[in-house]
Amino acid sequence: DQQVKQNSPSLSVQEGRISILNCDYTNSMFDYFLWYKKYPAEGPTFLISISSIKDKNEDGRFTVFLNKSAKHLSLHIVPSQPGDSAVYFCLRGDDKIIFGKGTRLHILP
Amino acid sequence: NAGVMQNPRHLVRRRGQEARLRCSPMKGHSHVYWYRQLPEEGLKFMVYLQKENIIDESGMPKERFSAEFPKEGPSILRIQQVVRGDSAAYFCASSPYGQESPLHFGNGTRLTVT
Repeated sequence: DQQVKQNSPSLSVQEGRISILNCDYTNSMFDYFLWYKKYPAEGPTFLISISSIKDKNEDGRFTVFLNKSAKHLSLHIVPSQPGDSAVYFCLRGDDKIIFGKGTRLHILP
Repeated sequence: NAGVMQNPRHLVRRRGQEARLRCSPMKGHSHVYWYRQLPEEGLKFMVYLQKENIIDESGMPKERFSAEFPKEGPSILRIQQVVRGDSAAYFCASSPYGQESPLHFGNGTRLTVT
């Protein structure tokens, strides 16, 4: 039973616009989440994290929002660039086990 | 500071041979994780090790697969008597503190069994 889920397998966004990737979780005890990005034939790369004492964390073009009442977090990328085309994974911080299939982001020219 | 190093990058083995995959974690990292990615699938956790200890091997097949992380040297994932179904990309990751610290991944070893 996967307790962190990304329900959109893929997303296409025009270059320059905002990309929003979503993640839902079921257990309110989770207090730390991480986002990773993965290109084909490469290992995942850590992007950004958020702890439950915050509702937002920003790093350059990447912002993660945490809505504890809705048990939902989202990753915003703005402006989207061609190099952002990749698969994105949302994980609980205390569980390295479940990566899931992620969300494939396509940035359109 | 070099990243996580995996070698070889590509490995070809015939059915029945042994495959040894190596992972050198980032300097200062004592936690190592192995993942497998089968074609068209996501990353599947295999095993979590600290120096000289296996912490969680719940994702490891019960037979033919073993992993170690000795006091000195790289972590080794060993697959005995490989079969075609073992063909996959194997990724290693390391972290400094284990829980709640980001993982740093290598670029994987692509194993092909012929």
